[in-house]
Amino acid sequence: GDSVTQMEGPVTLSEEAFLTINCTYTATGYPSLFWYVQYPGEGLQLLLKATKADDKGSNKGFEATYRKETTSFHLEKGSVQVSDSAVYFCALSATGGGADGLTFGKGTHLIIQP
Amino acid sequence: KAGVTQTPRYLIKTRGQQVTLSCSPISGHRSVSWYQQTPGQGLQFLFEYFSETQRNKGNFPGRFSGRQFSNSRSEMNVSTLELGDSALYLCASSRSGAVYEQYFGPGTRLTVT
Repeated sequence: GDSVTQMEGPVTLSEEAFLTINCTYTATGYPSLFWYVQYPGEGLQLLLKATKADDKGSNKGFEATYRKETTSFHLEKGSVQVSDSAVYFCALSATGGGADGLTFGKGTHLIIQP
Repeated sequence: KAGVTQTPRYLIKTRGQQVTLSCSPISGHRSVSWYQQTPGQGLQFLFEYFSETQRNKGNFPGRFSGRQFSNSRSEMNVSTLELGDSALYLCASSRSGAVYEQYFGPGTRLTVT
């Protein structure tokens, strides 16, 4: 079945450092790919998405490019802030339809130190 | 506009009991999905409802069930609770059912003792 693999962390960085969180997936067909963020005590928020190969999703300074040849969707940010501290989840949807549900990675706990 | 609300936010139950969790979607949203989040298994899809019909269900035992009402509010029920059912239960709603339009609620934290 479909699966998503991501580094679990915790990942600790200093403020203004460059961030990369790796995400690779296994799926049949052409899934849609997503990054979600979860702040303490809150639900998930969609951070960015890409629905086809070579698409780049971006939001709030975060970027990720859908690489079909390497089945990857790595999350990057050029300069992180303390407020970026959260848990980040990579996810896929086989069709993009809610009926199929999302397949999530285990999540990466990101800690940004001032 | 109001977001997705889930009640109760916290719940403590004893093994063998049953529990009902509620999710009120954003006004106008007809799709509600449920997820279980545990430290060991991570986030797992439970089921999805659209206009009162269950369209899909994840790999969970029959003790987990749900329903959706005509006003799109949804409930999920877990019968004969086990310790392993302790988790954060999240629901998400969307207008059309597309996952990229989903908004998640804050979750219900269930503890089974």
